[in-house]
Amino acid sequence: QQQVKQSPQSLIVQKGGISIINCAYENTAFDYFPWYQQFPGKGPALLIAIRPDVSEKKEGRFTISFNKSAKQFSLHIMDSQPGDSATYFCAASRDTGRRALTFGSGTRLQVQP
Amino acid sequence: SQTIHQWPATLVQPVGSPLSLECTVEGTSNPNLYWYRQAAGRGLQLLFYSVGIGQISSEVPQNLSASRPQDRQFILSSKKLLLSDSGFYLCAWSVRGGVGDTEAFFGQGTRLTVV
Repeated sequence: QQQVKQSPQSLIVQKGGISIINCAYENTAFDYFPWYQQFPGKGPALLIAIRPDVSEKKEGRFTISFNKSAKQFSLHIMDSQPGDSATYFCAASRDTGRRALTFGSGTRLQVQP
Repeated sequence: SQTIHQWPATLVQPVGSPLSLECTVEGTSNPNLYWYRQAAGRGLQLLFYSVGIGQISSEVPQNLSASRPQDRQFILSSKKLLLSDSGFYLCAWSVRGGVGDTEAFFGQGTRLTVV
């Protein structure tokens, strides 16, 4: 199964709050889990990524939490800012063989000032 | 540095007309190349991927086809467009081979509206 399930579909957060987006996968062959940020009319851009050998990765205000046994991973945006308003996609792929990313359905985040 | 070019940015085509979208990558060799489609308010669906010249894998049976005539050129085509072909088409590339990050770099996309 190649599916990656993402929730919520949309999220409204006040400025300074924490935004949390969750994803779950089924294919245990996946070993690379990136998050992409997409602004309207633009292509997605890599935000942060994690591998199964660590349970958490932090880059600035963005943190990925990874639970291998539950096959779940999540994105936390601390101190959310209006400039973070965008659509966020989780994805998964394998490092060998078929490397194409399988994407979640996306979360539209709106940070209110 | 590597760059990816995708054109046109927007396109309005009548039903039954042909389609040709082009994507080129600069600054890298032997990339994996991908075509994704994003329907309004939905995620990205992989349409085609290629690991080399003339090597195309289709993910979803449909009205579209892809070709890779040169190492860094990827073309998405259709002989006769359908209304359901409307969407945001994205080209992407990634490093081929080895073990490491498989980050995909996306182009700016083509907004296709079939009328």
